[in-house]
Amino acid sequence: AQKVTQAQTEISVVEKEDVTLDCVYETRDTTYYLFWYKQPPSGELVFLIRRNSFDEQNEISGRYSWNFQKSTSSFNFTITASQVVDSAVYFCALTLPYQTGANNLFFGTGTRLTVIP
Amino acid sequence: NAGVTQTPKFRVLKTGQSMTLLCAQDMNHEYMYWYRQDPGMGLRLIHYSVGEGTTAKGEVPDGYNVSRLKKQNFLLGLESAAPSQTSVYFCASSYQGGRDRAFFGQGTRLTVV
Repeated sequence: AQKVTQAQTEISVVEKEDVTLDCVYETRDTTYYLFWYKQPPSGELVFLIRRNSFDEQNEISGRYSWNFQKSTSSFNFTITASQVVDSAVYFCALTLPYQTGANNLFFGTGTRLTVIP
Repeated sequence: NAGVTQTPKFRVLKTGQSMTLLCAQDMNHEYMYWYRQDPGMGLRLIHYSVGEGTTAKGEVPDGYNVSRLKKQNFLLGLESAAPSQTSVYFCASSYQGGRDRAFFGQGTRLTVV
């Protein structure tokens, strides 16, 4: 069975602090994709990153960085020097594109991040 | 380029009423999805479509029907609304299904009283 676990339901940090959002996934497939989406207060989900199972390189994009470790089935997301605009709900998701009928995303339950000015 | 547009954005229904949510995308995507978002449960897939004229059930399909008569539109129907269907509904589309990022609409907040 496929599953995405985001154990942190809510996190609060003070502006300029670093924060890491955890994501642990479960799948027996060797080919899969992992995603992070941001849902700001406006409600629309915004794509942040996609990773396939064959690419374990970490990625940095400005203040955002992602750490993908297949050994621990984790795909964690770090925001450096957090800002108030980072306040949102963040979702981690998993897809298994080569399984029949699995053309969908398995979402975690989300982590609500609040950045306090 | 509008992306994914959902209509309406808000709706209040009485139990037993019916309604249709419309999703339109202008990116020529093959794959379209309907999700519902409930507190503490993330997004759960209701139905999806891998192309014009096709539909398939997702994780929570009961009480909903869908149609994809045109490639750009994906309709979600509630035949007899129930309070348990109070939720925020999101439509999404993607070019290559699970290998690709999804584009989401702004959501429809539905309340069934």
